[in-house]
Order: sequence, then structure tokens, then C-alpha cells
Amino acid sequence: AQSVSQHNHHVILSEAASLELGCNYSYGGTVNLFWYVQYPGQHLQLLLKYFSGDPLVKGIKGFEAEFIKSKFSFNLRKPSVQWSDTAEYFCAVNEEYGGSQGNLIFGKGTKLSVKP
Amino acid sequence: DAGVTQSPTHLIKTRGQQVTLRCSPKSGHDTVSWYQQALGQGPQFIFQYYEEEERQRGNFPDRFSGHQFPNYSSELNVNALLLGDSALYLCASSPGLAVIQETQYFGPGTRLLVL
Repeated sequence: AQSVSQHNHHVILSEAASLELGCNYSYGGTVNLFWYVQYPGQHLQLLLKYFSGDPLVKGIKGFEAEFIKSKFSFNLRKPSVQWSDTAEYFCAVNEEYGGSQGNLIFGKGTKLSVKP
Repeated sequence: DAGVTQSPTHLIKTRGQQVTLRCSPKSGHDTVSWYQQALGQGPQFIFQYYEEEERQRGNFPDRFSGHQFPNYSSELNVNALLLGDSALYLCASSPGLAVIQETQYFGPGTRLLVL
């Protein structure tokens, strides 16, 4: 079965530190890749997405992610985190299903705590 | 432009009861998916509705059923509730099942507690 692995359960950083959250998926076919963020008390919001083209994608709030097909990875990065980035981050894969959009498969999430 | 809305926000039920959760998709969206998010876990896909039919289903028992109405809104029904059904239930909408490269937008969820 297809799966998504997020390597870190909880990451604690100080403000201005750099961030990299790992994500690996198991599906070998055509996939679309997403990072969603869930701020405390808020609903899941899209941070960035990769469908095709340039494997380095930029999202909102200074986040970016790089798709490395040979490694089945889609790691999330931010050069300098802020206290407001404290949230839970979910990597998700959407596989094509019979020529149409498939369901999202999520990782277990990584909690990011940023100390002011 | 209203996003995805869900009702109720919170619900408390006892084992064996039945529950109905509701979702209105984002304007212009016709595909609705439901997810279950247990505490400390990522969302897990339950099923997806398009054109009032269930199109895909995840690994959930038949106690979980749904419906989509002509206005694209959707309901999730869970029968014979178990303690393990306690979770945040998320609805997501997207514009068109046949559009491969599209994003699902999530609602705030309904938090269900089964006692």
C-alpha cells in the first residue's frame, strides 16, 4: 500500500534557525505532492504543491520544497523560521486514479515549535 | 467567497449511537472527500463523492456511509459508534474529479467524541 513517511515527530527550533522537514513516499507512479499546515486552532491550509515542472516549488510565507524523484522525497524548507510558524505540518501525496484525481495520503505530521 | 464549511463543530455521542456530519463545499467545487484525523495522526481518507456517487473508498467499515446532494453538499453517517471513532472528521472539496492537478481545500472539521 502507498504510504507517506515524515521523519520527525516534533521539531523544536529557535527563531531565525533554518528548517528542513523530511517527507518520503512509497508510490512509484505519477503523483502530486503537497505540504499542508495546521496552525493551533485552525484548519488545514495548503502551504505549497508540486504537480510537474520545476522540482523546486515555492509556497506561502517563505516556505519551499524540493521534489527529488529518485529519492521519492519532497522535503520542506525555510531559511529562517519565525515564532508564528509554530504549527503541525503534513506532507501528502495524491496519486492519479484511473485517469482522475485520487485521494490524499497523509503522513503522520511533524509538530514544529519555534521558541521566541 | 465562503470556503468549506462543516457542521456541527463538536459532537458528543455514546457507544452504539449513530451520527450525521454535514459539509458544504467551496463555491465552484463539485467533489467532496471525507477524512478521519485521530489524535496525533495525519488525516485518513474515508471516501469521495462526485455526481452524487461514491467514487473511491478508503479502508473503513460499512458503518461509515455518505451521501452527496444535487447542490454538492455532503453528509457522513457513522452507525453503531465505537470509542475508536472519536476523532476530527474533515471534509475537503475540489473542483472536478476528472481534473487531475487540483488542490483539495479543507474545512475546519467536526470533532466527535464517543463515550
